[in-house]
Amino acid sequence: AQSVSQHNHHVILSEAASLELGCNYSYGGTVNLFWYVQYPGQHLQLLLKYFSGDPLVKGIKGFEAEFIKSKFSFNLRKPSVQWSDTAEYFCAVSRYGGSQGNLIFGKGTKLSVKP
Amino acid sequence: NAGVTQTPKFQVLKTGQSMTLQCAQDMNHNSMYWYRQDPGMGLRLIYYSASEGTTDKGEVPNGYNVSRLNKREFSLRLESAAPSQTSVYFCASRGPLNTEAFFGQGTRLTVV
Repeated sequence: AQSVSQHNHHVILSEAASLELGCNYSYGGTVNLFWYVQYPGQHLQLLLKYFSGDPLVKGIKGFEAEFIKSKFSFNLRKPSVQWSDTAEYFCAVSRYGGSQGNLIFGKGTKLSVKP
Repeated sequence: NAGVTQTPKFQVLKTGQSMTLQCAQDMNHNSMYWYRQDPGMGLRLIYYSASEGTTDKGEVPNGYNVSRLNKREFSLRLESAAPSQTSVYFCASRGPLNTEAFFGQGTRLTVV
């Protein structure tokens, strides 16, 4: 069965600081990987996704993530955070191809950016 | 383009009452999902439907039933609500192979 582990429950940064949120997944086969963001009171929105090819994926709002297959990791990064990045961030994994089955999420990391 | 629409947005139930959460998508997606979101627990998969006519249990299916009425609609039913089912419920849909999921706005359910 698939599972996703996000290392940090709550991260507090000052504006302009760099961000890295950890994500590790457990699944033996080929996977699709996602990062979603949830702003307060809103639904989840896609930040970026990895299906195949270049393991460094760029998303919206200056976010990027690197897929390291040997480490089963898909860490999210941003060089300089803004107050508006305050939100909860979720890593998710699903099996590549197949019947579009399970899409499994981590427990989320809450990011608070101090102005 | 409405995307994924959930109704209702808010609901308060008494213990033992039943209700159905509705979800519809207009993107012609095959796969649909129901999640619940609780503080510190992330999103946990209740049920999913990989295609019309099929449903499968997720991580936390107990106390819930689902119906994939047609390709557009995927409903979640609580037969006898319990306080432990107080949560925010999200429906999502997903298109062809290796695409992302799109989420509805959520239903905030309180069971008293």
